[in-house]
Formats: sequence, C-alpha cells, structure tokens
Amino acid sequence: EAEVAQSPRYKITEKSQAVAFWCDPISGHATLYWYRQILGQGPELLVQFQDESVVDDSQLPKDRFSAERLKGVDSTLKIQPAELGDSAMYLCASSFDGHYEQYFGPGTRLTVT
Amino acid sequence: AQSVTQLGSHVSVSEGALVLLRCNYSSSVPPYLFWYVQYPNQGLQLLLKYTSAATLVKGINGFEAEFKKSETSFHLTKPSAHMSDAAEYFCAVSDGPKGAQKLVFGQGTRLTINP
Repeated sequence: EAEVAQSPRYKITEKSQAVAFWCDPISGHATLYWYRQILGQGPELLVQFQDESVVDDSQLPKDRFSAERLKGVDSTLKIQPAELGDSAMYLCASSFDGHYEQYFGPGTRLTVT
Repeated sequence: AQSVTQLGSHVSVSEGALVLLRCNYSSSVPPYLFWYVQYPNQGLQLLLKYTSAATLVKGINGFEAEFKKSETSFHLTKPSAHMSDAAEYFCAVSDGPKGAQKLVFGQGTRLTINP
C-alpha cells in the first residue's frame, strides 16, 4: 500500500539552529500539505502545494519558515533559526488533485532545546 | 471559513461499552466531513468520510458516523469499545475553493478505554 514518507522521525535541535524536514507524497498525488501539530491540539496547515506551486502559505511564519517542492514531487520544510516554540509534530499529507481526502505520513517530532 | 468543534477533549469508556465522540461543524456550503485517528507519535489515519452520499457512514475498525444537517453534527460511534481504540480522534471539515481544497481540523478528543 502506498504511503507518505517523512524523515527524520525525530529531531532534537538547539535554539537558533537550522532544521529541515523531508516529505515524499504518494505517487500521483498532486497536492501536498505541511501541518504543524502542537501537543494536545489538532493539525494546523502551514503550507499547501499544487504540483510545484504554493496554493496557500498564509499561516507559514515566513520570517523563519520556508518550504519548497521544486519538481512537484517531494518537498522540504525548513526552519531557521529554530525557536523553543517550534517544538511540535510536523506532519506531511498528500491528496489527489481536486480531492479533500488526505493521506498523512508518520510525522517528524521536533524538540527545540 | 469553516470550523469544527469537538465536544469533550477527553472521553473515557469501559471496554465493551458504547463509544460516542461528538463533532459539530460550521459550514456555509454542503460540507465534506472526515474522522481521523492518531496513535501516539504517529500520523493521522482516515477512519471514515462523508461526501454527500449516504448520511450514515461506515468506516474501519467498526466505527461509523451519522451526518445530521439539521444539527450540523457528525458524531462518531462504535457499539463496543476495544482496548486498541485508545487514541486521539480528530474531526475535520472541508474548506477552500476548487483548486485550493483543504481540511480544517478540530482540537481532538482523547479516548481512554478502561479494562
């Protein structure tokens, strides 16, 4: 069964350092999402891609966060510099073009010390 | 913008008892609705979805949900709880125009099963 892949699964970094997360969506899924999930809360959308184009990044803190999907397949989310408040689970999801149903990866648990 | 309210951040039931997790939505258009489950340190797994077909939707692991337009609700139920059902459950509603579809999630309900 096809799955969304994410790496790393866990990341510990110090405040002010740079960190990057990688996501490979299910083959054929044109839409890719990055979410942030703070402990005890629901996922919140950070950025949405349609192929290589950004559809929605209104909730992405652009002073420190960046995301790219250069070839319209896999994607990277970067934080620089990391802050203590960035500690959270970062989830990647994908869907077929025009479909609401999303498939999630296992997530990356980020701890900033 | 659409929104979802999950009533009760924590629900505790005995093994074998009925599970009822509540979800109310706010949508200006006929919505698509979803329930996802999340186990510790894992991603979200789709349990079931409502896409304007039958109002009673059956999902995986014995869960089902009923869409009630008059009550703007989409509550999740399971007749008999199992220990393996202990997890976090999220209700989500569709949002956004064609070409920018997205999901808006509730805050989640943590389900605990007592032996």
